[in-house]
Amino acid sequence: AQKITQTQPGMFVQEKEAVTLDCTYDTSDQSYGLFWYKQPSSGEMIFLIYQGSYDEQNATEGRYSLNFQKARKSANLVISASQLGDSAMYFCAMREANTGNQFYFGTGTSLTVIP
Amino acid sequence: NAGVTQTPKFRVLKTGQSMTLLCAQDMNHEYMYWYRQDPGMGLRLIHYSVGEGTTAKGEVPDGYNVSRLKKQNFLLGLESAAPSQTSVYFCASRLTSGTPYEQYFGPGTRLTVT
Repeated sequence: AQKITQTQPGMFVQEKEAVTLDCTYDTSDQSYGLFWYKQPSSGEMIFLIYQGSYDEQNATEGRYSLNFQKARKSANLVISASQLGDSAMYFCAMREANTGNQFYFGTGTSLTVIP
Repeated sequence: NAGVTQTPKFRVLKTGQSMTLLCAQDMNHEYMYWYRQDPGMGLRLIHYSVGEGTTAKGEVPDGYNVSRLKKQNFLLGLESAAPSQTSVYFCASRLTSGTPYEQYFGPGTRLTVT
């Protein structure tokens, strides 16, 4: 079974609008961490935001927020006030405590911001 | 402070040839990882290391070997390259303590096997 599922291969958003990128995860661990990375066309992987399984508040980092719904095992990334520079691939990832050294990545969502 | 560097950036191999990819980090990170990225597949873990002298298999280890003789370096070897190993290879490293434990990635190596 897939540990991380991203069901949106491609998304479009109008500049200055908000967009939500979906991520669901599968784990039986109580302790785990969820990550979002951005990969622009230049290819590098850029860390955006982290949510720990015990964190009660949703994580926020500037225009990025993580909508964490533990019971539904979802960790959606919300980008507010989209900018042209947000056009990129976005990957959701998980680190489980019982396999604490390994990270599992989803297949990614390609986001295009339209001027 | 260079972060995570990878050598080479591009390489073309013929089937059956061997090569070594070098990953170096200057952040004193304990953990290091090798991933491959294929279209539509996301990143898949090949091998990883939790410290100098240790290595472990990830999700897709077949056809690859690794070594971590020095803390700052993590080498990925292909003994007999196959076209199925055409991919972009990423190295990453991270600390063992202090959330969020995010990985720092190198710029990637684009490998083509013909």
